[in-house]
Amino acid sequence: AQSVTQPDIHITVSEGASLELRCNYSYGATPYLFWYVQSPGQGLQLLLKYFSGDTLVQGIKGFEAEFKRSQSSFNLRKPSVHWSDAAEYFCAITDSWGKLQFGAGTQVVVTP
Amino acid sequence: NAGVMQNPRHLVRRRGQEARLRCSPMKGHSHVYWYRQLPEEGLKFMVYLQKENIIDESGMPKERFSAEFPKEGPSILRIQQVVRGDSAAYFCASSPPGKSNTEAFFGQGTRLTVV
Repeated sequence: AQSVTQPDIHITVSEGASLELRCNYSYGATPYLFWYVQSPGQGLQLLLKYFSGDTLVQGIKGFEAEFKRSQSSFNLRKPSVHWSDAAEYFCAITDSWGKLQFGAGTQVVVTP
Repeated sequence: NAGVMQNPRHLVRRRGQEARLRCSPMKGHSHVYWYRQLPEEGLKFMVYLQKENIIDESGMPKERFSAEFPKEGPSILRIQQVVRGDSAAYFCASSPPGKSNTEAFFGQGTRLTVV
C-alpha cells in the first residue's frame, strides 16, 4: 500500500532564510509525486510534480523538489522564503487512477 | 478557462438536515475527485467519478454519503442527516480524460459547518 509521511508538522523560518520540507513515501513502483500549497481558507495550488525524468523538479514561486529513490524522499526547498510563503504544504502521491493520497501537511510560519 | 468551481463556499446546516455540495469541473475534464479535510488534518480521498460512473468510492463513509456526476451538470456530494462530525472542508478536483497520472486541479472548497 502506498503512503506519504511528512515528519514535520510545524516549521518556523525567518524571512530570507532557506526552507526545506521533508516528504517520504512508500510505493511499490515508480511514484508520481506532488507538492501542493494551501493558504488559510483557500484551496490547493500545485507547486510542482514529478512523474519521471530529471529528479530535480522546478516549480512555481521559486520552489524546487528533488526525487531520491534511494531515500524514498521528495523534499521541497526554497532558497529564500518570503512572508507570503506562510501556508500549509502538502506532499501527495497518486496511484494509477490519479487519486491523490496526501501527507498530514507541514504548517510553515515565516517570522520577520 | 474557468477553474474548478465549487458552491457554496460556506454552508451551515443543523444536525439532521441534508447538505448538497456542488462541483463543476474545468472545461474538458471528465474525472472528478472529492476530498475531505477535517480540522487539523490533511485531505482524505473520498470518491472518484467519471461521467455517470462511480469509479472508486473506497473513501466514502458507508452511510449518509453519496456522490454523483451526471451526464449534464455538476458533480454533487450529498450528505444526509448531517452530524457535527461532518463539519469539514470538502474539496473537489478534476482532471482531463485519457491520462491516468496527471495533474488534478482543485476548487476553493466548501466549508460545511453543522450546528
